Amino acid sequence: DIQMTQSPSSLSASVGDRVTITCRASQGISNLLAWYQQKAQKAPKMLISDASSLLSGVPSRFSGSGSGTDFTLTISSLQPEDFATYYCQQYTTYPLSFGGGTKVEIK
Amino acid sequence: EVQLVESGGGLVQPGRSLRLSCTTSGFTFGDFAFSWVRQAPGKGLEWLGFIRSKSHGGTTEYAASVKGRFSFSRDDSKSVAYLHLNSLKADDTAVYYCNRGDGSGSYWGLGTLVTVSS
Repeated sequence: DIQMTQSPSSLSASVGDRVTITCRASQGISNLLAWYQQKAQKAPKMLISDASSLLSGVPSRFSGSGSGTDFTLTISSLQPEDFATYYCQQYTTYPLSFGGGTKVEIK
Repeated sequence: EVQLVESGGGLVQPGRSLRLSCTTSGFTFGDFAFSWVRQAPGKGLEWLGFIRSKSHGGTTEYAASVKGRFSFSRDDSKSVAYLHLNSLKADDTAVYYCNRGDGSGSYWGLGTLVTVSS
C-alpha cells in the first residue's frame, strides 16, 4: 500500500501570507494526486487533480506541483476563507490513500 | 445539478449491522462507480472502497480495514448506492461520505454520522 505523508500537520499564518504544504508518497505515483480542502463539519472539496490541474471555480491563488513522490500545494495569498484542513490523496493504486492532513489556522 | 445525499446513519450497538444509502440525482447513475470514505471524530479521511458500474462488471474494491465486514451494492433503477456495515465496532464511529467515482471524484455527499455505542 502507498503511504502519503503530509507536512506540516498544522501551521499558523496571516491573511496575505504565502503558504506551502508538502505531500510525499512512499513510492512513485506519477502525477495521480489530488488536493482537498475541508472546512469544519463539511465534506471535502477537491481543489486540484492530476497534481496541478485546478478544478473549475477554484481561485487561482491555489496551485499544485510535483510528480513522482514529492508534491506541493501553494496558496499564494491566504484569504480568510482559506482557513481549513487540507488533504492530499493518491489515486494511482488501490487502496487509495490520503495524507494525514494539514490544518491551516489563523495567526 | 449533481447531488449525492447519504442517509441511514445513527446510533447502533456494537456487533449490530447498518445500511447506509447514497441517493443521487442530476446525472446518469449507471455510468459511474461509487465509493465510500469515512472520517472518525477529529481524524483524517479513510478510503473504504468502491463499486464499479455495471458496464465494468459491478465489481468491488475494499480497504483491508473493512474487507469482510463492509460491503457495497447498488440499485441502478433507483440511482442509489449502498454501504452495508456488519459487526460494527466502536472505532467504526465516523461520518461516512459517498463519492461519485472510485474515491477520487469531485462530487461528494454531505455525509451521515454513524455512532457505535452501547
